[in-house]
Amino acid sequence: GDSVTQMEGPVTLSEEAFLTINCTYTATGYPSLFWYVQYPGEGLQLLLKATKADDKGSNKGFEATYRKETTSFHLEKGSVQVSDSAVYFCALSVASGSARQLTFGSGTQLTVLP
Amino acid sequence: DTGVSQNPRHKITKRGQNVTFRCDPISEHNRLYWYRQTLGQGPEFLTYFQNEAQLEKSRLLSDRFSAERPKGSFSTLEIQRTEQGDSAMYLCASSLVAGLGRHEQYFGPGTRLTVT
Repeated sequence: GDSVTQMEGPVTLSEEAFLTINCTYTATGYPSLFWYVQYPGEGLQLLLKATKADDKGSNKGFEATYRKETTSFHLEKGSVQVSDSAVYFCALSVASGSARQLTFGSGTQLTVLP
Repeated sequence: DTGVSQNPRHKITKRGQNVTFRCDPISEHNRLYWYRQTLGQGPEFLTYFQNEAQLEKSRLLSDRFSAERPKGSFSTLEIQRTEQGDSAMYLCASSLVAGLGRHEQYFGPGTRLTVT
């Protein structure tokens, strides 16, 4: 079946540090890949997405590139801020299935210290 | 666009009681999903609706769980004879599926269920 494995947390960084959260996937079809973010007390928000190999998704300074050869979709940001503190989830959706439900990783808690 | 809303936000119930949650999707969205999230884990798919039709259920959805989406608008998720293992965050998401385009799911804030 489909699965997502992401870097375990928690991750603690100082403000302006470089961030990488690793994500790898296994999929039976050709997936779309997503990063969702969950701020404290709020619902999941789509951060960025990529729908085909070599696509780069980007938003709010975050980037991730769809690497089919390594089945990876690592999240990066060059300079994190305190406001980026949240839980980050990598997810996939396979278009060949009618449901197109999301399969999530277990999440990575990020804390950014001033 | 008022977003996806869920009620109640928190529910505490005793084991064996029935509970019902409600989800109001984004108004023009034709697809609605339910997920369950336990502490320290990512959300897991439970079921989804295309308009008013429930088209798929995961193995996680035992026969104590039932979901409806009358008239293709809001949805309810009912859990009968709750067990402590049902304690989790229940998330609702909606999306607009049109043709072959990739569609995004928008999530509500969730209903946190605690079974004592």
